Amino acid sequence: EDQVTQSPEALRLQEGESSSLNCSYTVSGLRGLFWYRQDPGKGPEFLFTLYSAGEEKEKERLKATLTKKESFLHITAPKPEDSATYLCAGLKGGSEKLVFGKGTKLTVNP
Amino acid sequence: SQTIHQWPATLVQPVGSPLSLECTVEGTSNPNLYWYRQAAGRGLQLLFYSVGIGQISSEVPQNLSASRPQDRQFILSSKKLLLSDSGFYLCAWSLDRRTEAFFGQGTRLTVV
Repeated sequence: EDQVTQSPEALRLQEGESSSLNCSYTVSGLRGLFWYRQDPGKGPEFLFTLYSAGEEKEKERLKATLTKKESFLHITAPKPEDSATYLCAGLKGGSEKLVFGKGTKLTVNP
Repeated sequence: SQTIHQWPATLVQPVGSPLSLECTVEGTSNPNLYWYRQAAGRGLQLLFYSVGIGQISSEVPQNLSASRPQDRQFILSSKKLLLSDSGFYLCAWSLDRRTEAFFGQGTRLTVV
C-alpha cells in the first residue's frame, strides 16, 4: 500500500534553533515528492517539488532534500512566522494521485 | 498569473440536505482539477480528479459526486449529506500529471 509517513507529528523550536522534518515514503513508481506549508484554516501552500534522489531545493530558510526512501525539510534559523503544518506528498506513478502524509506541526517560539 | 477560487469558506448543513461546492481557476487552460478532503488527524484524501471537461475519476466510493461543466469549473455535490461528510474540502489544480498542485482556501463543512 502506498504510504507517506511524516515525523515528528509536532515540533517546538526556539527562534534560531535549526532542525529537520522527515518524510519517509513507500509510493510505487514515485514521480515526484512535494512539500507544502499549511496555516490553520487555510489551503496548503506549495513549497517544493523534488523529482530524483540527490535533488535539493532551497527557499529562504527552507531546504528540501530527497533520497530513495525519504525526504527532509531542513529549517535554518527559524522565525515565529515559520510556524505552520508542513505536509509532504508523493505522486504515484501512472496516476494523478498525490499520497499525503499527516503533516508535522511546527511551532517556533520567539 | 493563475488563481483558484473556492466557495463558500464555511458551511453548516443539516443531515439529508444537498450540497454544492464550487471551484474555479483563472489564468490557465485545460488544468487538471482535484477535490480533496482533510479530516482531523488524517492526511489529505483525494476524492475526485478531472483531466478535462466532463471527465471525472473517483478515488473513493462515497456519498459525493463531482462534475466539470466548463474547462475551469469544478463542482462537488451530494444529494443527501451524512454526518460523516463533515470535513475540510479543498479544490486544487495542476498543469499536468507531474507538476505541483495549487490549492484553494478550502471549505469547512459541518453537517449537523
